[in-house]
Amino acid sequence: DIQMTQSPSTLSTFVGDRVTITCRASQSISSWLAWYQQKPGKAPKLLMYKASSLESGVPPRFSGSGSGTEFTLTISSLQPDDFATYYCQQYNSYSPTFGQGTKVEIK
Amino acid sequence: EVQLLESGGGLVQPGGSLRLSCEASGFTFNTYGMSWVRQAPGKGLEWVSTISGSGGSTYHPDSVKGRFTISRDNSKNTLYLQMDSLRAEDTAVYYCAKEALAAAGNYFDYWGQGTLVTVSS
Repeated sequence: DIQMTQSPSTLSTFVGDRVTITCRASQSISSWLAWYQQKPGKAPKLLMYKASSLESGVPPRFSGSGSGTEFTLTISSLQPDDFATYYCQQYNSYSPTFGQGTKVEIK
Repeated sequence: EVQLLESGGGLVQPGGSLRLSCEASGFTFNTYGMSWVRQAPGKGLEWVSTISGSGGSTYHPDSVKGRFTISRDNSKNTLYLQMDSLRAEDTAVYYCAKEALAAAGNYFDYWGQGTLVTVSS
């Protein structure tokens, strides 16, 4: 199975800050990577797919980059609604795997 | 509007069985692969099962292979997860998720609200 490792696990930051979350795959997954946002008690919400494609309706302050084994999710200016946990997911095979999550907290 | 509504969760004893259902609406159900993803309390997301749009292909990780069976009834727009030989470590919220593209093995563009399964004596 392909292992996905996110860093950091927790990020304490301020409204308006630029935030970058990293996701590393244990082997190359080309650009077959998605990002999700999850708030407490809610289902995950798709943000990005194919590493850098923005899902319809997601604000443009979210962006993604990377290919192969290293990927990033960037929030250009953090808004109050963005405090949540973020997960990456590879879909290079019929055995999708998720990163362990990055919790973005208010500092 | 795409909607996914799970049901069937509850409390079950170790070794017991449970069947989850997910009723779908708002899209052509038989066109898309469907999956189950679970989340143990306070933990991350774990893929559990995937089934192709026709139902002809299914995929499970080793952690549930031989114990969980995914199926679908396209005439009822409903996805199922039969869970047997349940263990304490299967305790989680189980989400039904729609695959974004027609072929199975993709990312998930819509998720249900989840149903809680608790395995405990």
